[in-house]
Amino acid sequence: DAGVTQSPTHLIKTRGQQVTLRCSPKSGHDTVSWYQQALGQGPQFIFQYYEEEERQRGNFPDRFSGHQFPNYSSELNVNALLLGDSALYLCASSPLHWGDEQFFGPGTRLTVL
Amino acid sequence: AQSVTQPDIHITVSEGASLELRCNYSYGATPYLFWYVQSPGQGLQLLLKYFSGDTLVQGIKGFEAEFKRSQSSFNLRKPSVHWSDAAEYFCAAQTGANNLFFGTGTRLTVIP
Repeated sequence: DAGVTQSPTHLIKTRGQQVTLRCSPKSGHDTVSWYQQALGQGPQFIFQYYEEEERQRGNFPDRFSGHQFPNYSSELNVNALLLGDSALYLCASSPLHWGDEQFFGPGTRLTVL
Repeated sequence: AQSVTQPDIHITVSEGASLELRCNYSYGATPYLFWYVQSPGQGLQLLLKYFSGDTLVQGIKGFEAEFKRSQSSFNLRKPSVHWSDAAEYFCAAQTGANNLFFGTGTRLTVIP
């Protein structure tokens, strides 16, 4: 079992650009959640996808959008990048049962210059 | 407002000493509670979780946590710390929304 995988590992963009991050969930998991972890902070929930639909969303602007594919993998898109978007972006997968453990990937480190 | 508070930003302990990391939550009802560990450059690994029942929860790597409803706390403990325990520790809560709300983390340094 490969666990949760994310790509790319690192990414450098400039302000105003757009970025796409990718996540493959753990085998058997159908729910994918995305978190943003700024330096020195705890992860903050961005949104969650299940059955190819956004089921929940945290307090993030519309510049942050996502997608889930039929194989349960997911993408996080961020438009019009700001310096403040620099962070570690974590993907987590789980079965859709309240309280089930979320398994985290290693993250994608995004730097916006 | 719902929140998870980790009062200690940084803790330093000697190898072999005991450890306690504090976590307090503020929710209308008791949430599910979790402790995660994050090593540099790594994702988050679940140490343990509390849903209900026995208030003393055993986890991996020799960690345990005690849920105290009266104090709205879920503190993490380990009797004897190893150098490999140096990492960032996050307390998190989960309610009916099925997403995790994290504290700001406590960085643990272990000295020889």
